[in-house]
Amino acid sequence: GAGVSQTPSNKVTEKGKYVELRCDPISGHTALYWYRQSLGQGPEFLIYFQGTGAADDSGLPNDRFFAVRPEGSVSTLKIQRTERGDSAVYLCASSYQAGQPQHFGDGTRLSIL
Amino acid sequence: QQPVQSPQAVILREGEDAVINCSSSKALYSVHWYRQKHGEAPVFLMILLKGGEQKGHDKISASFNEKKQQSSLYLTASQLSYSGTYFCGTLAYSGAGSYQLTFGKGTKLSVIP
Repeated sequence: GAGVSQTPSNKVTEKGKYVELRCDPISGHTALYWYRQSLGQGPEFLIYFQGTGAADDSGLPNDRFFAVRPEGSVSTLKIQRTERGDSAVYLCASSYQAGQPQHFGDGTRLSIL
Repeated sequence: QQPVQSPQAVILREGEDAVINCSSSKALYSVHWYRQKHGEAPVFLMILLKGGEQKGHDKISASFNEKKQQSSLYLTASQLSYSGTYFCGTLAYSGAGSYQLTFGKGTKLSVIP
């Protein structure tokens, strides 16, 4: 079956712009996670959804970051007033239930000029 | 708190063995191991639950010492395909009913002919 799909695969934008990153999880997976990975580092937790609700958003760095999952499937990570420090690979993962193995998408490489 | 992985990097010749260690200062619910090849998504290897279990997957196995909050990944008779960066992820209770997976900085494994 299809894995976790993320779009776009690459996004280049100017500082101050708004961006949306999309994640389509594996069908039937109730848990969805967003991570951010910088070069040479492990994935850094941002937010976790169980169904439609954000069960844990403690990893979001500030209020410029927001994520939604309105129908319990596709999720969108939104970043307002982007800064150069936001440049990273944003990874999405899903699992059948919380605590179970997570399956990652290929990520969106975000570059802020 | 981020788990600590050691070593940071290791170079092996085909057929040699390696051990990667992961330790945490937090009480853990489980430990997850992933491998990431350059430019690709992390791929799940195995999960170890508390109870001091060991698991094996082909020539890759792992152990979890709950009392010491440490896990080790064992790679035996390494193959070229084992090359990549190995991450441990520690699952701990983060409050408000949520379990958060926190990744280490990774161990870069290079297998050469």
